[in-house]
Amino acid sequence: DTAVSQTPKYLVTQMGNDKSIKCEQNLGHDTMYWYKQDSKKFLKIMFSYNNKELIINETVPNRFSPKSPDKAHLNLHINSLELGDSAVYFCASSQGGLPNEQFFGPGTRLTVL
Amino acid sequence: ILNVEQSPQSLHVQEGDSTNFTCSFPSSNFYALHWYRWETAKSPEALFVMTLNGDEKKKGRISATLNTKEGYSYLYIKGSQPEDSATYLCAPHGSSNTGKLIFGQGTTLQVKP
Repeated sequence: DTAVSQTPKYLVTQMGNDKSIKCEQNLGHDTMYWYKQDSKKFLKIMFSYNNKELIINETVPNRFSPKSPDKAHLNLHINSLELGDSAVYFCASSQGGLPNEQFFGPGTRLTVL
Repeated sequence: ILNVEQSPQSLHVQEGDSTNFTCSFPSSNFYALHWYRWETAKSPEALFVMTLNGDEKKKGRISATLNTKEGYSYLYIKGSQPEDSATYLCAPHGSSNTGKLIFGQGTTLQVKP
């Protein structure tokens, strides 16, 4: 019973391609997040959706576009991939309200060649 | 909340040693502090969420304290075991209802048998 799942786990692609990472949670949470683990291993928030509405949009290139078809899914689409996009991307979810304990997915390691 | 600092960055102890590390954060606009445990090749798992000054939480051999007035939290591990080896992340968040977490860089603990 995977609570927060991401696909694919590994993604290797060429510069300039467009790719998507999918995230699904079966916890009944209404808020989902995308984080990027940067080269210094920091986890940095990128986006957050609450009930399909964007509530956090950090300063990320507009090549990154999150899409939430329903509150159990938050996908991340990346256009025109660049070398610097190589990282591990984590999806997370939480129940609404504060404080919000977040449950993380296993991560997707993206490598751009 | 912008600057979250954790110290030390890494720690090596012998099995059976007790250890502690620190999370420092700006005390203004504080709402809650989260501690996460992150094992290699896995996803971060929530340990504690603390909100009140003087809060103390305990889970088995791991405990945490919170001082919101001076902006710090301590995580203690009593009688460290090899399975405690992981990176421990702290993440405060403010009262904004977005629930945005700002993660520190973590303290990586290695427990030698």
